[in-house]
Amino acid sequence: RKEVEQDPGPFNVPEGATVAFNCTYSNSASQSFFWYRQDCRKEPKLLMSVYSSGNEDGRFTAQLNRASQYISLLIRDSKLSDSATYLCVVGGGGGNKLTFGTGTQLKVEL
Amino acid sequence: NAGVTQTPKFQVLKTGQSMTLQCAQDMNHEYMSWYRQDPGMGLRLIHYSVGAGITDQGEVPNGYNVSRSTTEDFPLRLLSAAPSQTSVYFCASSYWGQEQETQYFGPGTRLLVL
Repeated sequence: RKEVEQDPGPFNVPEGATVAFNCTYSNSASQSFFWYRQDCRKEPKLLMSVYSSGNEDGRFTAQLNRASQYISLLIRDSKLSDSATYLCVVGGGGGNKLTFGTGTQLKVEL
Repeated sequence: NAGVTQTPKFQVLKTGQSMTLQCAQDMNHEYMSWYRQDPGMGLRLIHYSVGAGITDQGEVPNGYNVSRSTTEDFPLRLLSAAPSQTSVYFCASSYWGQEQETQYFGPGTRLLVL
């Protein structure tokens, strides 16, 4: 089993749609959780951290369920510019080492 | 601030050749790391460093060496390139010990080994 698993997609959605991605992780000792965004042939960039209480940043909402070991990302009112690959990232205890999922590809269409 | 810089952007090597991928950051971050990204796989950690003079192996260290003589620089050396090392290489940096801290990535080096 992969440490961090994501549906690779692609998710093809019309502009304005709401789309949700899930991610599961295997290490119950994981302590930090993130969503990164990666545009084609570019470096990953932090989209948002994920907190136990859930957090929202504009059209983006992230949730963490420690009991079930999954993380979600909800994007409302999708824009063409949201088209990218979204990486689920999990950090273990004791430092900055991160484990990356393979990413979920989102394509927002007119 | 330039952030994290990597050179070269692209490189073609022949099997058996050696080369060094350069990485530098100007944010005074203690933690630096090297990842490789291959299709269908997440970014995999090659080596990392928690400060000048300290390095450690990640998930896929074989065939690579690193050193950290200064806080700013963290070069990755390919000792004898193999086709299996064809990949995109990303260097990243962050503050050490703050698990909620962002990792900043360089633009990547695309390496093709023939």
